[in-house]
Amino acid sequence: KQEVTQIPAALSVPEGENLVLNCSFTDSAIYNLQWFRQDPGKGLTSLLLIQSSQREQTSGRLNASLDKSSGRSTLYIAASQPGDSATYLCAVRVSGNQFYFGTGTSLTVIP
Amino acid sequence: EAGVAQSPRYKIIEKRQSVAFWCNPISGHATLYWYQQILGQGPKLLIQFQNNGVVDDSQLPKDRFSAERLKGVDSTLKIQPAKLEDSAVYLCASLDRRGTGELFFGEGSRLTVL
Repeated sequence: KQEVTQIPAALSVPEGENLVLNCSFTDSAIYNLQWFRQDPGKGLTSLLLIQSSQREQTSGRLNASLDKSSGRSTLYIAASQPGDSATYLCAVRVSGNQFYFGTGTSLTVIP
Repeated sequence: EAGVAQSPRYKIIEKRQSVAFWCNPISGHATLYWYQQILGQGPKLLIQFQNNGVVDDSQLPKDRFSAERLKGVDSTLKIQPAKLEDSAVYLCASLDRRGTGELFFGEGSRLTVL
């Protein structure tokens, strides 16, 4: 069974720092990997989607990479801002259109 | 393009009462999911629909939870009777299965059971 892990569970950085969030999965048979942002009490907002054949995707200050063979993905956030404070979750899509989620990394950016 | 719509956003009920949540997915998305998210955890799948058929409801507590998607568009999730441990955010998502494979979520319905 697929298991998705996110480390660290929480991260606190000063404004302006670049940071990396990690996501690992146990089974490399995935169709894609998606990174989400979740603000307290709200739904998940899609940030980036990486297909299994891709190595990375970029959107603004965000860059996500995927190494399917090693079961790892990273989300790089450049020049962090207080508005980036949220929980970031990753999810993998597998056969049967099933999704497996990590438990998230709670990010706090200190002004 | 309109996103996934959910209502109500918040609901507070006493234990043993009933509650219903509604979801309207993105137009054209045949695959719809209901997830339960407890604070500090990742979403847990309750049920997956493909059009109006159930694909996976293995983790749905069927003695108290029910869900339907009668016309293959909007969906309703019901809890009856509610327990204290049902306090959570109920998330609806729809899948762009024929496009990018991207999963889209609604704003969620936060349930508090007292």
